[in-house]
Amino acid sequence: GAGVSQSPSNKVTEKGKDVELRCDPISGHTALYWYRQRLGQGLEFLIYFQGNSAPDKSGLPSDRFSAERTGESVSTLTIQRTQQEDSAVYLCASSLELTDTQYFGPGTRLTVL
Amino acid sequence: AQSVTQPDIHITVSEGASLELRCNYSYGATPYLFWYVQSPGQGLQLLLKYFSGDTLVQGIKGFEAEFKRSQSSFNLRKPSVHWSDAAEYFCAVRSRGGSYIPTFGRGTSLIVHP
Repeated sequence: GAGVSQSPSNKVTEKGKDVELRCDPISGHTALYWYRQRLGQGLEFLIYFQGNSAPDKSGLPSDRFSAERTGESVSTLTIQRTQQEDSAVYLCASSLELTDTQYFGPGTRLTVL
Repeated sequence: AQSVTQPDIHITVSEGASLELRCNYSYGATPYLFWYVQSPGQGLQLLLKYFSGDTLVQGIKGFEAEFKRSQSSFNLRKPSVHWSDAAEYFCAVRSRGGSYIPTFGRGTSLIVHP
């Protein structure tokens, strides 16, 4: 595809359930990032992957959040035992290298009831 | 601590009027500077960026931004706004060394009246 894609576009879940959010980066991009955007807020960095290096998890807010990436392709962000404060738009971005411009996907809007 | 401030939460302009969105940053040294636009239901699209050189940067969709070191500002401008410019605008900064993760401002919502 031409750009970063994310699925699902919307997810409604009940408090306490686990959710998985998917990101397909631009082909050939070695770096992949996850951000959280709460209503009326800027973007909050969660985690990034760069090639085969260990991911930078410094932005993950709790151990309920985790992410995986298969090689230089798809990434999955998992939130376990969701809480209402997890409700937000989760944005994925990719870049050719870490130092390059990031290109964003359309996001997944997560609503925890 | 590093920070980015977009002092205006909402800006309302008439179609055809000029626009200036403010961005101020607090960093130890001149960072890389970016402006992104987010249309409803869309991801962020890069409008322009400043790395070095000419302090007046031209971007897509007729936008430009001027880096002013003395004011620690990187304001976004457009001479004539179109209704399709209505969106959320984010300023972001990234250090030239160390972290590769940009810090984003809270965003400014642009409303365009016909």
